[in-house]
Amino acid sequence: AQSVTQLGSHVSVSEGALVLLRCNYSSSVPPYLFWYVQYPNQGLQLLLKYTSAATLVKGINGFEAEFKKSETSFHLTKPSAHMSDAAEYFCAVSTNNNDMRFGAGTRLTVKP
Amino acid sequence: EPEVTQTPSHQVTQMGQEVILRCVPISNHLYFYWYRQILGQKVEFLVSFYNNEISEKSEIFDDQFSVERPDGSNFTLKIRSTKLEDSAMYFCARSTGPDSGNTIYFGEGSWLTVV
Repeated sequence: AQSVTQLGSHVSVSEGALVLLRCNYSSSVPPYLFWYVQYPNQGLQLLLKYTSAATLVKGINGFEAEFKKSETSFHLTKPSAHMSDAAEYFCAVSTNNNDMRFGAGTRLTVKP
Repeated sequence: EPEVTQTPSHQVTQMGQEVILRCVPISNHLYFYWYRQILGQKVEFLVSFYNNEISEKSEIFDDQFSVERPDGSNFTLKIRSTKLEDSAMYFCARSTGPDSGNTIYFGEGSWLTVV
């Protein structure tokens, strides 16, 4: 079965600083990988996804993630954090069996 | 792509009561899911539903849970006898299917409070 591990339940950055949220996956078959964002009291919104095309994936709101098979990683980055980026971020993995498993989430705090 | 729409957005129920959570009709979607998120915790898979059948379910989805999509209408999650620990946000979701990378789109959630 596939799974993801998010390193760091809480990340705090200053406004304008680099955002790096870590995700490592485990899968016995080629995975599909996703990042979702959850703003307070809202549902899950898809940020970006990797589906075996380009390894560097660009998403909404200036976020991007790079699939690295050798490291089994799919870290999420943004060059310059904005106050509006404060939210919970979930990494997720799925395969052709058509289900999805989520990581525990990383809460991003952006300081002014 | 449009997300699914869920009702109710918030429900408070007495312990032991039955609860039904709904996704409003989306006639051309085939893959459906229910996930839940207990306050402050991770999103947990409950069940996947394809072609009017359960395709996979987690250990959380025990006998008190059931899903159905009668006549291609609302996709529902029923909890027969609610417990305090069922209090959570329940997300209905749909996917584009394995040919499109299994991207799952979530509804806004139904917040269930069991008292």
